Amino acid sequence: AQSVTQLDSHVSVSEGTPVLLRCNYSSSYSPSLFWYVQHPNKGLQLLLKYTSAATLVKGINGFEAEFKKSETSFHLTKPSAHMSDAAEYFCVVSDRGYGQNFVFGPGTRLSVLP
Amino acid sequence: SQTIHQWPATLVQPVGSPLSLECTVEGTSNPNLYWYRQAAGRGLQLLFYSVGIGQISSEVPQNLSASRPQDRQFILSSKKLLLSDSGFYLCAWDYASGRSDEQYFGPGTRLTVT
Repeated sequence: AQSVTQLDSHVSVSEGTPVLLRCNYSSSYSPSLFWYVQHPNKGLQLLLKYTSAATLVKGINGFEAEFKKSETSFHLTKPSAHMSDAAEYFCVVSDRGYGQNFVFGPGTRLSVLP
Repeated sequence: SQTIHQWPATLVQPVGSPLSLECTVEGTSNPNLYWYRQAAGRGLQLLFYSVGIGQISSEVPQNLSASRPQDRQFILSSKKLLLSDSGFYLCAWDYASGRSDEQYFGPGTRLTVT
């Protein structure tokens, strides 16, 4: 069975400083991994995805994530936080990429302080 | 381009009343369709998914039901709402297996049961 752990329920950073949101997963197969962002009372938007190509994945809005199989991790980073990055972030794992197998992490709320 | 619609955006209903939430997708054919629920401070829980008209799979036992009367229409229903049905309901779609493994989310419906 698949599972996702997001190690921090809340992360707070100052504007202009780096962002690190942690995600660890377990999967019986070669997984697909995703990061989604959700602004308050909005739907989810895909930031980036890993589907067995390059292990360093670049996404929208300056975010990137690195797939590390040995550590079963897929941490999300951004060099410099912007106020508009304040939102909820979800890490998702999927066996073989099938939507029915999407498993969402509990989410990390990112606060950006001026 | 493809778009996904959900309505209503917000809903306040008394306990014991019926529920009908609607989701429609435009710009694609034969999508997989999904209903998720997001309780306050928690991740997304898959409620139902559908790979075709009249084909519904339920992930968890609950007070809700789903139907797919048309290819691009997905309806979430209840005959009698419970307080525990409160939450943020998200509809999503993706391409049939093999073409894409990204899910596309609607804007969501905020349901409050009083």
